[in-house]
Order: sequence, then C-alpha cells, then structure tokens
Amino acid sequence: AQTVTQSQPEMSVQEAETVTLSCTYDTSESDYYLFWYKQPPSRQMILVIRQEAYKQQNATENRFSVNFQKAAKSFSLKISDSQLGDAAMYFCAYAGGTSYGKLTFGQGTILTVHP
Amino acid sequence: ETGVTQSPTHLIKTRGQQVTLRCSSQSGHNTVSWYQQALGQGPQFIFQYYREEENGRGNFPPRFSGLQFPNYSSELNVNALELDDSALYLCASSYPLAGGLRSQYFGPGTRLLVL
Repeated sequence: AQTVTQSQPEMSVQEAETVTLSCTYDTSESDYYLFWYKQPPSRQMILVIRQEAYKQQNATENRFSVNFQKAAKSFSLKISDSQLGDAAMYFCAYAGGTSYGKLTFGQGTILTVHP
Repeated sequence: ETGVTQSPTHLIKTRGQQVTLRCSSQSGHNTVSWYQQALGQGPQFIFQYYREEENGRGNFPPRFSGLQFPNYSSELNVNALELDDSALYLCASSYPLAGGLRSQYFGPGTRLLVL
C-alpha cells in the first residue's frame, strides 16, 4: 500500500521569506502523480501544484515550486515570498497511475506566516 | 465555470440515524470522489464514481454507499451512524484523461457531527 508522510506537524515563516515543507512517500508503482493541496480555515481544499512522476523537471506555479527526488521518494514544496494568505494546512497527496485517481494524503503541515 | 458545491454545510445527527450528503461536480467533470477527514487528519478516500458506476472503494464499511446521477452530481449515504463518523466529508470532481490523470478539485465540505 502507498503511504505519504509529512514529518513536520507545524512550520512558521516570516512574511516575504521562503519556507520548505517536506513530504516523503512509499510506493512500488512506476507511474504516479504527486500533489500539494492547501486547506485554509475555510476548509476548502485548494490544489497548489502537481507533479507527474515521469517528468524530471520540477513543477512550478508562480511562488510555489517543488523539489521532486524520485529515487529518494521525496516531494517537498517551496513557498517563496511568503504572504499572510499562505497560512493554512498543507497536505501532500499521492495518486497511482492505475488507482483511478484515489488520493492518499499525508497528515498535513500547519503553516503560520508572521507579519 | 462553476466549482464543486456541497450541501448541507453542517449537519447534526444522532447515533443510529441515516444521513445523505450531496455534491455537484465542477462543470464538465464526470468523476466524483468522496473523502472523510477527521479533525486534524488528512482526508481518507471513501469511494469514487465514474459515469454512474462505483469505480473504486477505500477501507470503509458497506453502510457507506453512494450514487451518481446522469448530470454527474453525487450523493453519499451513511446508515447506522456511529460517533466516529463525525468528520468533514469532502467531495472532489475530475475529468479522466486517457493516458493520464486529471487533478481533483474539492468542494467546501459538509461537517457532520454525530451525537
């Protein structure tokens, strides 16, 4: 079974600074997808970024980028120029290529942004 | 393009009762997945519906059942409610892409409290 581990229950960052959230996963599949979702107190789960395992290039979406290390099964999220609105719970999630889109989530990391 | 909507937003039931939660998928999406998120945890996959058929199920008992309608909206039904069923129930929609995996987009969730 696939597992996703987020070892940082809480992280904090100063506004305008950079923070990195860690995620590791375990799988025997060769075809899979990785995601970072953001869940603010409003509860709505928002897709931040996705990475296809077959792509060597790290995904980037504006201030958000990932460091995908396939051999190490590591998938970290870097947030640059942090903003107050980035404060939320962040979830790392995995979907196998043959698992009909079932997402397996990590435990989450609470990110606090200090002004 | 309308997003994923869920109703109701909050619900209080007593142990042993039955509940129905509803989800309208994002425009153009024909796949709906349901997740249960206990407080402080990552979401857990319940099941997925594609073209009105169940297309995968997580580790949940048969008293959790669902339906998908021709307009791709969906219902989650839970019978014989237990205290541990208290959670945020999230619906996510996506459009399967041949040879790939479309990202899932989440609704705001229904908060269920079982007393």
